[in-house]
This record gives sequence, C-alpha cells and structure tokens, in this order.
Amino acid sequence: ETVLTQSPGTLSLSPGERATLSCRASQSVSSSYLAWYQQKPGQAPRLLFYGASSRATGIPDRFSGSGSGTDFTLTITRLEPEDFAVYYCQQYGSSPITFGQGTRLEIK
Amino acid sequence: QLQLQESGPGLVQSSETLSITCTVSGGSISSDGYFWGWIRQPPGKGLEWMGSVYYSGSAYYNPSLRSGIIIFVDTSKNLFSLKVSSVTAADTAVYYCARLPAKSYFYYMDVWGKGTTVTVSS
Repeated sequence: ETVLTQSPGTLSLSPGERATLSCRASQSVSSSYLAWYQQKPGQAPRLLFYGASSRATGIPDRFSGSGSGTDFTLTITRLEPEDFAVYYCQQYGSSPITFGQGTRLEIK
Repeated sequence: QLQLQESGPGLVQSSETLSITCTVSGGSISSDGYFWGWIRQPPGKGLEWMGSVYYSGSAYYNPSLRSGIIIFVDTSKNLFSLKVSSVTAADTAVYYCARLPAKSYFYYMDVWGKGTTVTVSS
C-alpha cells in the first residue's frame, strides 16, 4: 500500500499570502497518478487536480499542482478567504487507492 | 449536470448490516468509461476508499478493509449500493459516493455526493 504523508499538518497564513502544501509518497506514484482535493466543513471533497498538475473544471488559476515520483506540491498564490479549508492528496497509481491525512489551511 | 445522492439509515445497531444507496441523476450509471465508488470519513479524520464498481456489476474492494463489504449496481434504477455487515463503532463515518472518470477501479473522483452520516450504536 502506498502511504501518503502530507505536510505541514496545519498551515496558518493570511489572505493574500502564498501557500505551499506537500504530499510525499512511500513509493513512486505510477504515471503521476496523484490528485488533490479541497474539503470545507460539512461538505464533500472537491477535486482540484488530477495527474498531479491537470486542473479540474472551474478551479481558479491561483491554484497549481506539480511534482512526480514521490514528491508532489499544491501551491496557492494570493490566498482568498474561501481557500481556507482542508486539503487532501490521493494516489491512484496502485491498489488500494489511498489518501493523505490532510493539511488544514487556517486563517492566521 | 450529474448529481449523486446518498441515502442511508442514519443510525445502525452494532453487529447489524449497514446499507446505503447512491442514486445517480443527470446521467446514466451505465455510461462507458465510468466507475463508481464509495469513500468514508470517520468523525474528525481523513478519507478512506472502500471500493469501486462498474455498471456490469464487477467490483474491487480495498484489501486493507475487513471482509463483509459488498458494492453492487442496479442499472434499472440508476443507482449503486454499499452493504457493510457486522458493523462496529469503527464503521461510524460520513459515507460518500463518487464517480471515477476512467476505465479502471483505481482513479480519481470528479463528482461526489453530499455524503450521509452513519452512526453505529451499541
């Protein structure tokens, strides 16, 4: 099973600042089959990126995804108030599908 | 626009069987190129993939989970369902259904239901 470790666990930033979230895999993720999701309280996760860097429909371009192999990054430039949420990475390159434990992005 | 809606019992007794249904609207569950999945989230915790199913009925389950989980499809009603037998408190969670846009059991999820909360009571 591929274990995904996200860091930091909590990130405290102010609106307008830049956020960098990390997702590290215990083994190489095949074909960069890595997705990112945003989850707000009481809501279902929302797909942000798939294939490590392909933006999902409707996702603002202040969000970007990058990485390959075992190291992946989600970057949010110029944080907006609605960006404060929990972010999860997910790998689908091998069975079983696994998720990281999440990074909470909170307002400083 | 495709929408998924879970419906579940809310409360289930320990050792009983949990049954949840996901109704698909705005599209056909029989569309080629899509799989359908169940993901759960215990209170205050992260996401756990439980399994995926194709409209043919073929399913794949997370081998890290205990046995007693079944996912099946009813194409006549455009829905798919999850059954978990002999539930314990560890099965208390929000259960989400989702679409996987690929010809594989293992993919990302691009459309999610709102989730249904299930509490296992002793």
